[in-house]
Amino acid sequence: GEDVEQSLFLSVREGDSSVINCTYTDSSSTYLYWYKQEPGAGLQLLTYIFSNMDMKQDQRLTVLLNKKDKHLSLRIADTQTGDSAIYFCAEIPGSGNTGKLIFGQGTTLQVKP
Amino acid sequence: EAQVTQNPRYLITVTGKKLTVTCSQNMNHEYMSWYRQDPGLGLRQIYYSMNVEVTDKGDVPEGYKVSRKEKRNFPLILESPSPNQTSLYFCASRQGGGPQHFGDGTRLSIL
Repeated sequence: GEDVEQSLFLSVREGDSSVINCTYTDSSSTYLYWYKQEPGAGLQLLTYIFSNMDMKQDQRLTVLLNKKDKHLSLRIADTQTGDSAIYFCAEIPGSGNTGKLIFGQGTTLQVKP
Repeated sequence: EAQVTQNPRYLITVTGKKLTVTCSQNMNHEYMSWYRQDPGLGLRQIYYSMNVEVTDKGDVPEGYKVSRKEKRNFPLILESPSPNQTSLYFCASRQGGGPQHFGDGTRLSIL
């Protein structure tokens, strides 16, 4: 079945780069997303990538997609204390014409000053 | 302003007392969903709807009901709540493959 896996915790120092990894099982997934959740808040869409892309860059964020290995990563350059949050990757399985959206368990990013 | 609105934001209730969490979106989105978030488990989809009168089970539908009588509204109903349904609930909507828009969440405690 469809599954999305993430490591649960990452700790970095302020100013370093953070890389959050995600693997998924549905090779036909069309859309892949990264969401951020700050403490006590809802989910905020950070960025997304279509399956026909390898990379997407948006200011400090870089998303890399390796379709062969079904691996997605989010790199945050120059990580700040305000980046401390839980980061979720998510996929819409199949062609995208479905209401399903599958989330990973979330990676808690801790940024130390 | 484009938004998804859930009510209530917080609710403490007792086992067996029926409750409804409302969700409304103003973006004319086709797809709407309900999720529950539990520590270490991420978000799990409860039910989703692809359009009016079209609903389908997600990964954890047991103990929940939904309805989609109008495009903008997608209430979540717990007919006989139990303590294992204590959780943080999110409603969301999207159009096609576009990004999911989330409500602010409803924290439900069932004693």
